[in-house]
Amino acid sequence: ETGVTQSPTHLIKTRGQQVTLRCSSQSGHNTVSWYQQALGQGPQFIFQYYREEENGRGNFPPRFSGLQFPNYSSELNVNALELDDSALYLCASSLGAEETQYFGPGTRLLVL
Amino acid sequence: DAKTTQPNSMESNEEEPVHLPCNHSTISGTDYIHWYRQLPSQGPEYVIHGLTSNVNNRMASLAIAEDRKSSTLILHRATLRDAAVYYCILRSRSEKLVFGKGTKLTVNP
Repeated sequence: ETGVTQSPTHLIKTRGQQVTLRCSSQSGHNTVSWYQQALGQGPQFIFQYYREEENGRGNFPPRFSGLQFPNYSSELNVNALELDDSALYLCASSLGAEETQYFGPGTRLLVL
Repeated sequence: DAKTTQPNSMESNEEEPVHLPCNHSTISGTDYIHWYRQLPSQGPEYVIHGLTSNVNNRMASLAIAEDRKSSTLILHRATLRDAAVYYCILRSRSEKLVFGKGTKLTVNP
C-alpha cells in the first residue's frame, strides 16, 4: 500500500510568481488536508477537500487555492507569492473528513 | 489557537521510559486527545488518540486523567528513532487538526 506522496520535494520561486504543489493520497482515502509549516512552528491548517469539494478553510488569503481530482489526488496553488510563504507544505489524507490523517513528507518552498 | 499546553523540550535516555505531559484544562466532552509526532525532515506521524479511557497501541500508551484536563503520552522504551517533536491536539469529530509548537524530545544514547 502506497502512502501519501508529494511533489516536488523542494522548490525555489521568486516573489510574485505562482506555484502548484501536488499530493497523491493514500489508496482508498477520499479526503486531503493541506498545511503550512513555518520553521520552528507547528503545521497550520490551510484547507481540506472531501470528495472533490472544499470542506473547511483556515485563516489563509484567497490566493491560496486548491483542487481535488476524481482519483482524490490534490493540488495546492499559491498566487502572487510573498517572502512569508516560504515554508514546508504538508498534505495529509484520510478515509473521511473526520478520520485519522496520514501525512506526506512535504514540499519545501523557498520564496526569494 | 492550540488548546493544549506542552513543555517546549524534554530529554530521555535510550531504553528508558518517557512520559510526555499535556495540559488541556478547557477540554470539552466531545474533544478527543490526539498525539502526533514529527521526526526530522518528515511529515507528522499519527501516534495515538483517546477520549476518556487509557489507550495502548504498538507505538505508545496514552494515560488520560480522570477529569480529562491532562494526559500523558508514554513511550515504554525510548529509542534514538523516537527523537522528534510530539504534538498533543484536541479535536472534536467535526474539527480540523490544530497544532501547537509541541515538545521536542531528545533521546540520549
